[in-house]
Amino acid sequence: GESVGLHLPTLSVQEGDNSIINCAYSNSASDYFIWYKQESGKGPQFIIDIRSNMDKRQGQRVTVLLNKTVKHLSLQIAATQPGDSAVYFCAVGGTSYGKLTFGQGTILTVHP
Amino acid sequence: KAGVTQTPRYLIKTRGQQVTLSCSPISGHRSVSWYQQTPGQGLQFLFEYFSETQRNKGNFPGRFSGRQFSNSRSEMNVSTLELGDSALYLCASSSHGQGSTEAFFGQGTRLTVV
Repeated sequence: GESVGLHLPTLSVQEGDNSIINCAYSNSASDYFIWYKQESGKGPQFIIDIRSNMDKRQGQRVTVLLNKTVKHLSLQIAATQPGDSAVYFCAVGGTSYGKLTFGQGTILTVHP
Repeated sequence: KAGVTQTPRYLIKTRGQQVTLSCSPISGHRSVSWYQQTPGQGLQFLFEYFSETQRNKGNFPGRFSGRQFSNSRSEMNVSTLELGDSALYLCASSSHGQGSTEAFFGQGTRLTVV
C-alpha cells in the first residue's frame, strides 16, 4: 500500500541557518505533493506544493525539491527563524480522490 | 477570503454517545476531506466529499459517517463513541477536480471521549 515516511523525526537548528526536511514516498503514481506546518493546537498550514511534472518549486524562503527517481522530496527553509519552529508534514496526493497520505512529521526546533 | 471553519473547537463526550462535527470550506471549494489526527497514528484519511457525493472513504468503521450539503458545508458524525475516538478531527477544503492541488485545513475539532 501507499506509505510516506520521514527520515528524521526531529531537527534542531540555529536561527539564521538553513533547514532541510526530507520525505520519502512509495507510490510512483503520486501526482502532487504538499508540505504543511503545524503548530501546537492548530490545524496544518499549507506551505507549498509541487506537481509530479516538476522537480523544483520556490516560495518565500522555502524551496521544495522532488526526485521522482528515488521517490524523495525535501523542504528547504532559508534563514530559519524561531517562528518556524513547528511540526512539518509532507503529504502525497493524486492516487485517490481527495485523499492525502501524510508522513509522520518532523519536529523542527529553531534556537535563537 | 475566509479560511476553513470547523465547529465546535472542543468537545467532551461520554462513551456510547454520538457526535456531529461541522466544516465550512473556503468559498468556491467543492471538495471537503476529513482526517483524524492522533499521536500514535498521525493524520489518517476518513472520507472525501465533492458536490454532495462521497467519492472516497478511508479504513474507518461504519460508525464514522459524513455528508455534504449543496453549499459545500460538510458534517461528520461518529456514533457509539469509544475512548479510542479521542482525537483532533480536521477537515480540508480544496478545489481538487477544479484544477488545483492546494488543500487547506481548518483548526480542527478536539474530541475527548470519557
